[in-house]
Amino acid sequence: AQSVTQLDSQVPVLEEAPVELRCNYSSSVSVYLFWYVQYPNQGLQLLLKYLSGSTLVKGINGFEAEFNKSQTSFHLRKPSVHISDTAEYFCAVSSGGGYQKVTFGIGTKLQVIP
Amino acid sequence: DTAVSQTPKYLVTQMGNDKSIKCEQNLGHDTMYWYKQDSKKFLKIMFSYNNKELIINETVPNRFSPKSPDKAHLNLHINSLELGDSAVYFCASSQIEGGVQETQYFGPGTRLLVL
Repeated sequence: AQSVTQLDSQVPVLEEAPVELRCNYSSSVSVYLFWYVQYPNQGLQLLLKYLSGSTLVKGINGFEAEFNKSQTSFHLRKPSVHISDTAEYFCAVSSGGGYQKVTFGIGTKLQVIP
Repeated sequence: DTAVSQTPKYLVTQMGNDKSIKCEQNLGHDTMYWYKQDSKKFLKIMFSYNNKELIINETVPNRFSPKSPDKAHLNLHINSLELGDSAVYFCASSQIEGGVQETQYFGPGTRLLVL
């Protein structure tokens, strides 16, 4: 079984400040990890993903995440946030194997304050 | 061109009615999904189809019946709607490559309100 824990339901941060959104996962086999963003009244879109290779993954809009196998974490970071980054962020895990489902975390609401 | 489209965008209906939501993807993907997002933004998978074949069927009341006429379409029919069915329903698609679950592409969502 696989699961995802997003430790913060809401993260307020001042504009141009750095931010880290935390994600921990559990899985008994090798994992594939994703971060998705959902802007108000829209569907989810992919920010970045880790499938294999380098543990530091760069995504769109200046976001990056680091896969840490020993700590079973995949935290999302951005060095300087903008108002337009205000959205809901979802961490997700898949254990691969083709038809394995993707399990989403409960989401973290990033609120950028001007 | 819209990659994953859903209709309708909004659906307001009375308890007990039957309704359908349609989903189409033009990405050539072989796998499609239905998710339910509740008022707390929790996203839960309901169904997944691969090449028109049901591969994931979570614990969903049998009032919900997916139908995939071809691999580009996955529709969701809901019978005897209940208040608790009010949510946002997202369709998504992806391509399974070499056993790896690739990026999922989501539709804009259908906001269902049952009165």
